[in-house]
Amino acid sequence: QVQLVESGGGVVQPGRSLRLSCAASRFTFSSYTMHWVRQTPGKGLEWVAVISYDGSEKYYADSVRGRFTISRDNAKNTLFLQMNSLRIEDTAVFYCVRAPGLRVPKFDYWGQGTLVTVSS
Amino acid sequence: QSVLTQPPSLSAVPGQKVTISCSGSNSNIGNNYVSWYQQLPGTAPKLLIYENNKRPSGIPDRFSGSKSGTSATLGITGLQTGDEADYYCGTWDSSLSVGVVFGGGTKLTVL
Repeated sequence: QVQLVESGGGVVQPGRSLRLSCAASRFTFSSYTMHWVRQTPGKGLEWVAVISYDGSEKYYADSVRGRFTISRDNAKNTLFLQMNSLRIEDTAVFYCVRAPGLRVPKFDYWGQGTLVTVSS
Repeated sequence: QSVLTQPPSLSAVPGQKVTISCSGSNSNIGNNYVSWYQQLPGTAPKLLIYENNKRPSGIPDRFSGSKSGTSATLGITGLQTGDEADYYCGTWDSSLSVGVVFGGGTKLTVL
């Protein structure tokens, strides 16, 4: 069974940085597009960023562009999200999500999520 | 304010059929596949429908999807108490802000 395990969440002050990781296993990680999707507690889903299977294409939500960077290490089956200049409104559970292609909205596996709390 | 519009809540009784709508525009639903997700309390979302009307293996045929123009619909027949959850539609958006867009979610209550 496909596994996606996020880590790196925690409590951080506004303006600081945090790096999330997502360890993938039991599938050929290098063949899949990967996304980060977040959810503010009690609210809906918000797409954050996507990276193509080989890392050559990346897209970001307007709300995080210029502050967040998505990357991947296919040799280590790991997805990353570097989050800089964090804001209170970035507080959310962040999910690592798999998709078969860049513009294919078929999120077939989700991690369990990691909570990021931005607070002074 | 979500790019895709869903009713915030719906309620029904066991055994009934419900439909959840998802309205968008030409830059998203009108020119891209739609998927639907079920989120049970305290869990990650789960894929219910992809490519407008296809079900992943393991999803019962009580769940169905359709798309017409810039709107999509999720149907659930033979409602069960276990179907009480939040439901989200999602698709790719090809406007200036390229990326994935989701509906605001519909909380389904099974009375």
